[in-house]
Amino acid sequence: ETGVTQTPRHLVMGMTNKKSLKCEQHLGHNAMYWYKQSAKKPLELMFVYSLEERVENNSVPSRFSPECPNSSHLFLHLHTLQPEDSALYLCASSQEYIAADTQYFGPGTRLTVL
Amino acid sequence: KNQVEQSPQSLIILEGKNCTLQCNYTVSPFSNLRWYKQDTGRGPVSLTIMTFSENTKSNGRYTATLDADTKQSSLHITASQLSDSASYICVVSADNAGNMLTFGGGTRLMVKP
Repeated sequence: ETGVTQTPRHLVMGMTNKKSLKCEQHLGHNAMYWYKQSAKKPLELMFVYSLEERVENNSVPSRFSPECPNSSHLFLHLHTLQPEDSALYLCASSQEYIAADTQYFGPGTRLTVL
Repeated sequence: KNQVEQSPQSLIILEGKNCTLQCNYTVSPFSNLRWYKQDTGRGPVSLTIMTFSENTKSNGRYTATLDADTKQSSLHITASQLSDSASYICVVSADNAGNMLTFGGGTRLMVKP
């Protein structure tokens, strides 16, 4: 349960604000992920970092900017968001960036853009 | 295009009853299939994982099956409890570079007393 933590748990921001989401994993994993979960839609992969290098960027708008300063921390910087960006943002980690490894998810940040 | 379809979208059952959730996938080449449980407001938690050669896997009252020929999986919940109320997500990994997952839309299960 506490292997992957995310802060804040809830965030309300205006379209002109700049904010950051933080994820920390205490599992010694080498791969970290950002997902977006909108209502009634499957999870959408946004970014993947493996050994602190970005390896996937799934056509995410530039108003979302990830940062991975080390293998334990992952940030998602937000600026000039749109109301349709309101969603649950989930962070996950896995031992390595391979299909055999289970991804462990954090509790998510519920983001509301006004 | 890789896809995972789940049915039903939602389900209501009485406490103590059994239920079965379905998952069909078109992910290729197939690596493994996982079932995740997601409580409201929380992140998904892995319940089971099955590779190509496994056709059943249990985790307590949860039993998952896999038919790799028909590309179908099911999750059977026995003697349901109120705490089983959650979304159950079928997730399939492709056996190519990386750990890219294809997620189903989930089945929202509500267990009533």
